[in-house]
Amino acid sequence: DAGVTQSPTHLIKTRGQQVTLRCSPKSGHDTVSWYQQALGQGPQFIFQYYEEEERQRGNFPDRFSGHQFPNYSSELNVNALLLGDSALYLCASSLGDREEKLFFGSGTQLSVL
Amino acid sequence: GNSVTQMEGPVTLSEEAFLTINCTYTATGYPSLFWYVQYPGEGLQLLLKATKADDKGSNKGFEATYRKETTSFHLEKGSVQVSDSAVYFCALSVNTNAGKSTFGDGTTLTVKP
Repeated sequence: DAGVTQSPTHLIKTRGQQVTLRCSPKSGHDTVSWYQQALGQGPQFIFQYYEEEERQRGNFPDRFSGHQFPNYSSELNVNALLLGDSALYLCASSLGDREEKLFFGSGTQLSVL
Repeated sequence: GNSVTQMEGPVTLSEEAFLTINCTYTATGYPSLFWYVQYPGEGLQLLLKATKADDKGSNKGFEATYRKETTSFHLEKGSVQVSDSAVYFCALSVNTNAGKSTFGDGTTLTVKP
C-alpha cells in the first residue's frame, strides 16, 4: 500500500521563477492538504483540496496556487519565487475533509537562490 | 486565531529517563489535539490524538491528556529509548478537519545511550 508520495525530493530555483510540486495521496484518500515548513518551525497550512476544489486556505498570497486532478493527485504552484519561499513543502492526505488522521509525505525541499 | 506553543528545545536525555514536552494552545471552539513525530528524512507521523476534554491519547509508550482548564496537552513517556530521538510537534484542528491543522514549532529530542 503506497503512502503519500511527493516529487521532486529536492529543487533549486532562482528568484522570480515559477515552481510546480506534485503529490500523490495515499491509496483510497481523496483529500490533499499542503503545508510549508520553514527551517526550525512547524508546518504552516497553505490550502486543502477536496473534490477537485480548494476548500480551505491559510494565510498565503495568491502566488501560491494549486490543483487537484480526478485521480486525487495534486499540484502546488508557486509563482514569482522569493528567497523566503525556501522551505520544506509537505503534502498530507486524508479521506474526506472531516477526517482526523493525516498521512504525510516526506516533502519537497525547495531552495530559492 | 488558533495557536500552539511548545516548550523550547532541544531536549537531551539519557536512555530510560522520563520525558515531558509541554504544549499549550489557544483555539476558538473545541479543538482536537495531536502529537506528531518527525524522524530524520521522513514526513510527519501521527503519534497520538485526543478529541475532547479529559481524553488521554496513547501510543508506543507515549501519553498526553487533553486538559481544557489549562489549555494543555503535554507529551510524556516514562522511559525513553535512543530510537525515540526525533522532532515532536503538537498540533490542533477544529471542526474535525485535521487537514487544516495548526502546529507548534516542534521540540527536538535527543536520547543518548
